[in-house]
Amino acid sequence: GESVGLHLPTLSVQEGDNSIINCAYSNSASDYFIWYKQESGKGPQFIIDIRSNMDKRQGQRVTVLLNKTVKHLSLQIAATQPGDSAVYFCAEKETGAGSYQLTFGKGTKLSVIP
Amino acid sequence: SAVISQKPSRDICQRGTSLTIQCQVDSQVTMMFWYRQQPGQSLTLIATANQGSEATYESGFVIDKFPISRPNLTFSTLTVSNMSPEDSSIYLCSVDSGPSYNEQFFGPGTRLTVL
Repeated sequence: GESVGLHLPTLSVQEGDNSIINCAYSNSASDYFIWYKQESGKGPQFIIDIRSNMDKRQGQRVTVLLNKTVKHLSLQIAATQPGDSAVYFCAEKETGAGSYQLTFGKGTKLSVIP
Repeated sequence: SAVISQKPSRDICQRGTSLTIQCQVDSQVTMMFWYRQQPGQSLTLIATANQGSEATYESGFVIDKFPISRPNLTFSTLTVSNMSPEDSSIYLCSVDSGPSYNEQFFGPGTRLTVL
């Protein structure tokens, strides 16, 4: 569901299962997207990025899917582990606009059940 | 990726005082950014700091409240001036890095509580 104020969407997943975290982005001109992981008390950590000329990109245990038609981004985590518990943010950027600004989504809290 | 450190890691301050947060990077970077993250929320860009020029502030943020220095390519400071409880947040420094300079990497943040 949508988050308002302090209430982040939460996804609870059993250890070993796959996780899918979704993000709707706002700017149809955005051509670069990043997923970040933020553990409690730490700064956001870069996970994976994708450019708008791609639909899918894979990393180690993570896959990002981009659907430009509906402005939707997803992060898939395979074989979710307790260490994956964190808040995940998507971010978008319009690299051709001369701006360096990243616009962040609201975040999803992933809780892994051992 | 760049290694970024921030000082202090946390602080508790009185209303009306000011706090300067330092950000140090282990390599020379062109762009440095300051973000605010209010409790349980996402990140909001305060300003972009280029070495040798005035910082560029986003809508809703002004230089008098958040003065920024960028004296060289590895260091920046953000001051939160005349603080009120509404300034209680995590303040994060980030830098453009990576082969295409599109990736942004973040410091650990400074957790500020204003009483």
